[in-house]
Amino acid sequence: QQKVQQSPESLSVPEGGMASLNCTSSDRNFQYFWWYRQHSGEGPKALMSIFSDGDKKEGRFTAHLNKASLHVSLHIRDSQPSDSALYFCAASEHSGSWQLIFGSGTQLTVMP
Amino acid sequence: GGIITQTPKFLIGQEGQKLTLKCQQNFNHDTMYWYRQDSGKGLRLIYYSITENDLQKGDLSEGYDASREKKSSFSLTVTSAQKNEMAVFLCASSINWANTGQLYFGEGSKLTVL
Repeated sequence: QQKVQQSPESLSVPEGGMASLNCTSSDRNFQYFWWYRQHSGEGPKALMSIFSDGDKKEGRFTAHLNKASLHVSLHIRDSQPSDSALYFCAASEHSGSWQLIFGSGTQLTVMP
Repeated sequence: GGIITQTPKFLIGQEGQKLTLKCQQNFNHDTMYWYRQDSGKGLRLIYYSITENDLQKGDLSEGYDASREKKSSFSLTVTSAQKNEMAVFLCASSINWANTGQLYFGEGSKLTVL
């Protein structure tokens, strides 16, 4: 079983809509989370990190972490066609970068 | 800002062939990584190098060798390419091994084995 599981595998939302992506860690040691975004033909780029319980907002992106359930979500409001990409959740045992475990990704399509 | 350059962008090899991928970064970062990306399986860590002259195996190191020639460059060798293998190899760097998880990735090298 993968240590970091993402759902759904793919998601379509209309332009201007809200996209919600989910991620769960199956290892209680992995409590530090990152979201990365990968556009087609490019490498992944870090979107945001979340290390504490609750919400973290950066522009149109809001991450929510529940450490008790090891569940993190990413919500994108006012989705744009440029948000269409593969989104990865990554978790680690500490805030350092060398032991990041990635999920298999959610493919988001925003329809104009 | 900086950039990570991976060469070649596309690599086609024959079964059993030894193939080398190269990565250069101008961020002046200490730590560099090689990940493999397969469809539906996310990114898996092959090798990483905490500092120049260091080499550490990741979960997927079998079948690969790596070399950190200098601070700015990190190479990955597929020791014996497997028939029908197809994957994207991603090089990444971070300020150091203890920083807050921000990895900077190259655009990837796509491997096809005939």
